[in-house]
Amino acid sequence: DAGVTQSPTHLIKTRGQHVTLRCSPISGHKSVSWYQQVLGQGPQFIFQYYEKEERGRGNFPDRFSARQFPNYSSELNVNALLLGDSALYLCASSQTGTYGYTFGSGTRLTVV
Amino acid sequence: TQLLEQSPQFLSIQEGENLTVYCNSSSVFSSLQWYRQEPGEGPVLLVTVVTGGEVKKLKRLTFQFGDARKDSSLHITAAQPGDTGLYLCAAQGGSEKLVFGKGMKLTVNP
Repeated sequence: DAGVTQSPTHLIKTRGQHVTLRCSPISGHKSVSWYQQVLGQGPQFIFQYYEKEERGRGNFPDRFSARQFPNYSSELNVNALLLGDSALYLCASSQTGTYGYTFGSGTRLTVV
Repeated sequence: TQLLEQSPQFLSIQEGENLTVYCNSSSVFSSLQWYRQEPGEGPVLLVTVVTGGEVKKLKRLTFQFGDARKDSSLHITAAQPGDTGLYLCAAQGGSEKLVFGKGMKLTVNP
């Protein structure tokens, strides 16, 4: 079975631009969470979706938004990119959204 | 805000040595997880502990959850170069989100 897949794997954007990151969960997993990992830090929670509903949101500005589709895949959108948004963006899926998270390999976003 | 403090933050040891990583907080957690992350990859779950005082073993790795469910430790026996990576503890305090520590970067030299 395929694990959590994220695309693209690497991305370079200019300040002020918009970016969309994509995540496909493990088959049968209905929950998707997004995390931001800045170099030298642990991942920080951005969003969780379960059954297409937002279940939780971390301490991130409104420039960050996300959604989950009927097939349980998810997109993370970031508007008006700042240099500080450069990070590894991780997607994690689970069946119930309460435990048993499996992480993807992440999307490395560089803002220049 | 729940904070997880991990120590040490960096460790470089020789193959065959033992080590212990600590994860501490002032908050009580419903569960605590340990992950290992390699460069350019996502974290991989090693273990979940949920009961105070619980001890779990995974080959050369021993995980312990504190009696009060506020702290945890990871002990590695006879470390090998393949153990090199970033070790992260993460806790859930009742909500669905995971709160991560900063991690402990381990280098095991042959």
